[in-house]
Amino acid sequence: GENVEQHPSTLSVQEGDSAVIKCTYSDSASNYFPWYKQELGKGPQLIIDIRSNVGEKKDQRIAVTLNKTAKHFSLHITETQPEDSAVYFCAASITNRGSTLGRLHFGRGTQLTVWP
Amino acid sequence: DTAVSQTPKYLVTQMGNDKSIKCEQNLGHDTMYWYKQDSKKFLKIMFSYNNKELIINETVPNRFSPKSPDKAHLNLHINSLELGDSAVYFCASSQVEKGYEQYFGPGTRLTVT
Repeated sequence: GENVEQHPSTLSVQEGDSAVIKCTYSDSASNYFPWYKQELGKGPQLIIDIRSNVGEKKDQRIAVTLNKTAKHFSLHITETQPEDSAVYFCAASITNRGSTLGRLHFGRGTQLTVWP
Repeated sequence: DTAVSQTPKYLVTQMGNDKSIKCEQNLGHDTMYWYKQDSKKFLKIMFSYNNKELIINETVPNRFSPKSPDKAHLNLHINSLELGDSAVYFCASSQVEKGYEQYFGPGTRLTVT
């Protein structure tokens, strides 16, 4: 089955710096890659996602890149702010296989801390 | 205007008891999920229902039984609670024909003593 590895497990940056979180996946059939942000005491919130027919996607200060050949994808946060501090999860899914409908395989999370 | 809601938010109970967690979504989605998040923050899917039909049933003890009375609700009933069941349980929903974005509820922190 699909295995998603996420690095680093913790990341500390100074406000204004950039942060990069990397994930790899094992199943070449995976075609949907969302990223979630989980703040303390809350549920994961989808912040950006990318599908396998796209190499890069941007939304203001966050961007995601996907390298299908190498089977890895990354989250980039620029101009970090203290409110970006949270746990970030990557995930992979196969959307065109009926038996796995909606199944997300999550990485183990990255605790991002942004120091003022 | 809560999209995915869960009750209760906190649940403290003793070993051996039976408890239920309720989930409701008002997004009109056709698929709902239960996830378990352990103390190390690892998120693992437990169950998935599509149009009230069980689609995903991970290797979960049969003490856990999901019930979907309609497309907007997915409840989780747990029998004979054990210490290892302590975790945060998240409900989520998605509309698979419109993309696979899953929206999570706020979670229920279950503590078994």
